[in-house]
Amino acid sequence: DVKVTQSSRYLVKRTGEKVFLECVQDMDHENMFWYRQDPGLGLRLIYFSYDVKMKEKGDIPEGYSVSREKKERFSLILESASTNQTSMYLCASSFGGRLYEQYFGPGTRLTVT
Amino acid sequence: QKEVEQDPGPLSVPEGAIVSLNCTYSNSAFQYFMWYRQYSRKGPELLMYTYSSGNKEDGRFTAQVDKSSKYISLFIRDSQPSDSATYLCAMSATNAGKSTFGDGTTLTVKP
Repeated sequence: DVKVTQSSRYLVKRTGEKVFLECVQDMDHENMFWYRQDPGLGLRLIYFSYDVKMKEKGDIPEGYSVSREKKERFSLILESASTNQTSMYLCASSFGGRLYEQYFGPGTRLTVT
Repeated sequence: QKEVEQDPGPLSVPEGAIVSLNCTYSNSAFQYFMWYRQYSRKGPELLMYTYSSGNKEDGRFTAQVDKSSKYISLFIRDSQPSDSATYLCAMSATNAGKSTFGDGTTLTVKP
């Protein structure tokens, strides 16, 4: 079974803090994704990466950056957390030619106070 | 207007009922159509995907795509309490393109 793990299930941070969310997959997938999920807004793509050190902006990249130094690990960085970044963050991965078949992690519920 | 619209629900049915979950879309370039199931406090898991039009069956689940109407459905036969979850539709134009997700329909199957 594909396993996608995320570093924290719940996280509480203060406004202005730098926040790191880590994601690791164990299936040698080329593609990795970061989404946020909010009621009424569904799943929105923040960034994705199709290879090590490669990244593409998704639909809502503002306020976020990413890092992919190793194939199995994809990090999401909130440079200066704000209350409107309170959300559920989901990481996913997929094989190179099958972006439509994504495997998700359990999510990180981030609260910014 | 969103590219993908999903019946918001929530939907509550008795055990054994046939459930129909639906999405409409506006982008005629979509060719890959996926259904994900998300249990409470978990990440989504891929249930089924269909390429282009037609039906696909997997056990109690049937995915149906009507590209002429830009309408997709997921049918669940003999629904079980374990089917209680939020169901997300998702679509992609190519096998290398990003997916666009619906907002999800929450289903409760009552014993």
